[in-house]
Amino acid sequence: EPEVTQTPSHQVTQMGQEVILRCVPISNHLYFYWYRQILGQKVEFLVSFYNNEISEKSEIFDDQFSVERPDGSNFTLKIRSTKLEDSAMYFCASEAPLAPAYEQYFGPGTRLTVT
Amino acid sequence: AQSVTQLGSHVSVSEGALVLLRCNYSSSVPPYLFWYVQYPNQGLQLLLKYTTGATLVKGINGFEAEFKKSETSFHLTKPSAHMSDAAEYFCAVISDSNYQLIWGAGTKLIIKP
Repeated sequence: EPEVTQTPSHQVTQMGQEVILRCVPISNHLYFYWYRQILGQKVEFLVSFYNNEISEKSEIFDDQFSVERPDGSNFTLKIRSTKLEDSAMYFCASEAPLAPAYEQYFGPGTRLTVT
Repeated sequence: AQSVTQLGSHVSVSEGALVLLRCNYSSSVPPYLFWYVQYPNQGLQLLLKYTTGATLVKGINGFEAEFKKSETSFHLTKPSAHMSDAAEYFCAVISDSNYQLIWGAGTKLIIKP
């Protein structure tokens, strides 16, 4: 069964460094999402992406964040200058066109630790 | 602000017993509701969803949930728990404003032998 994959599974970085989290969505999906979950807290929506542009973003998704679909398969989340509070699990999700309502498929997540 | 509340961060049941995980939501429009499950070290997997129509929805692994508009609830149940059901369960609703998922805090289901 097709699945969403994410790399790396765990990333440790120093405060102020740039990180890129990678996702490979399911191949015929057209809607892409990033969520994060700070340890012990709720899953939070960050951004949605469709047709090569951001369709929605939350207030969390400030100028330090960016997303890109550099080729036909990858979907990346970049954090330009990481802060301690960016430490979280980051989930990528994708959704098929004409999907049953909002049925998103999630990757296993990348645990980001900022030291 | 729109929200989802899951009662109980941890729920413990014996193997073979009824599982009941509670979820209440707020929405100003007819809601789209979801339950996701997260097994250890894995991603979020859709268990079931309610959009329109029948208020009792069946999902994978023997789970079901009932949408009760008058109670703004969408509780998840399973008649008989298995050890393999041990996981974290998340309830979510589609936002009225930006159509993104709003999540509950999650409930860890512990199954006792």
